[in-house]
Amino acid sequence: EDQVTQSPEALRLQEGESSSLNCSYTVSGLRGLFWYRQDPGKGPEFLFTLYSAGEEKEKERLKATLTKKESFLHITAPKPEDSATYLCAVRYGQNFVFGPGTRLSVLP
Amino acid sequence: KAGVTQTPRYLIKTRGQQVTLSCSPISGHRSVSWYQQTPGQGLQFLFEYFSETQRNKGNFPGRFSGRQFSNSRSEMNVSTLELGDSALYLCASSSSSGMNTEAFFGQGTRLTVV
Repeated sequence: EDQVTQSPEALRLQEGESSSLNCSYTVSGLRGLFWYRQDPGKGPEFLFTLYSAGEEKEKERLKATLTKKESFLHITAPKPEDSATYLCAVRYGQNFVFGPGTRLSVLP
Repeated sequence: KAGVTQTPRYLIKTRGQQVTLSCSPISGHRSVSWYQQTPGQGLQFLFEYFSETQRNKGNFPGRFSGRQFSNSRSEMNVSTLELGDSALYLCASSSSSGMNTEAFFGQGTRLTVV
């Protein structure tokens, strides 16, 4: 069964404590993997698109990587303003499926 | 530039009624996609329109429909509302089709069915 999962479900970090979020997928014919950030009461904010295994993209304290089965969102020295829910989504064929998200809290 | 605008922000409807939600994309964007977000099912793709044509469709019943106008504004309609249709409905716009480019989301319309 085609599936997109994210782990952990929730993550609490101290400011400056680096960590990684995982997005695993079991789909055929990946056409793109997307990362979004969503703050409470707002729509998701686009972060990255990755297309092929080995690809990496960076933006400020965030770095996204992609393998054939999963993607990681690495957060280096996070700040409290990085607190949000991080969503990954997978495009395959005509389908576009979101993972359940990881709720990240960064404590000062 | 102005972002994606969704109206109304909040809506309360009764079971069996129908509802129409509106989305105005960023100026110059021709692709609009719609999503349903609930605590139980998360964010789910409904459909995408590009240049007034539906390009992709998610796995939702036919009660959910949409259209796009020549100015790229889009509407989503849900007929015969059910309690389970209560959700945050989000639309996103992008400059090209296929959702492979950066998509900008609106604030959403919170629909409550009673």
